[in-house]
Amino acid sequence: NAGVTQTPKFQVLKTGQSMTLQCAQDMNHNSMYWYRQDPGMGLRLIYYSASEGTTDKGEVPNGYNVSRLNKREFSLRLESAAPSQTSVYFCASRRDRDPSNQPQHFGDGTRLSIL
Amino acid sequence: LAKTTQPISMDSYEGQEVNITCSHNNIATNDYITWYQQFPSQGPRFIIQGYKTKVTNEVASLFIPADRKSSTLSLPRVSLSDTAVYYCLVGEGQAGNNRKLIWGLGTSLAVNP
Repeated sequence: NAGVTQTPKFQVLKTGQSMTLQCAQDMNHNSMYWYRQDPGMGLRLIYYSASEGTTDKGEVPNGYNVSRLNKREFSLRLESAAPSQTSVYFCASRRDRDPSNQPQHFGDGTRLSIL
Repeated sequence: LAKTTQPISMDSYEGQEVNITCSHNNIATNDYITWYQQFPSQGPRFIIQGYKTKVTNEVASLFIPADRKSSTLSLPRVSLSDTAVYYCLVGEGQAGNNRKLIWGLGTSLAVNP
């Protein structure tokens, strides 16, 4: 069972470069999420997609764009990377739209460093 | 906002029971309480979820008082492999697609031999 797969696992960028983080899930889940995790900050939601074709901003969307390509895939794009975007990025998915009572399933993260 | 508050860190020994309490004073009527476990270099993993009273599964128990303003994750007889960060999560606002989940900062549990 692959679950949630994120690529790449590691990446180093220079300031100003662009990059797309890929995420795919094979559980037929409706909702998908992008988080960033920084020391002392916990997990913060960047964007989420309640269903194919819809996306919404989370807590920290500035500097990011997302695409829900189909039900399986949800990508996160940094158009012009900044050092403040150095972080570990996690993708997650959930079966239903309502987040109350369905657990999220996480990938193992993408570790992104921006110099 | 349904913010959560947890102890930053806890220490325990193998074989002991560990209880981690999370405060969530502004929990909404329809919100569930969910706990996740995270090991280094991995994404969080679901442990247990509840709405009220007590829930038990093969790895943990979750105790929720009647006012639901707090919850306690109980790990029975911990082992070294339970060393991880534990997150308490509650939903926010009305049910619907625009809900935003609020993560606590997590509790770093260290289990010692």
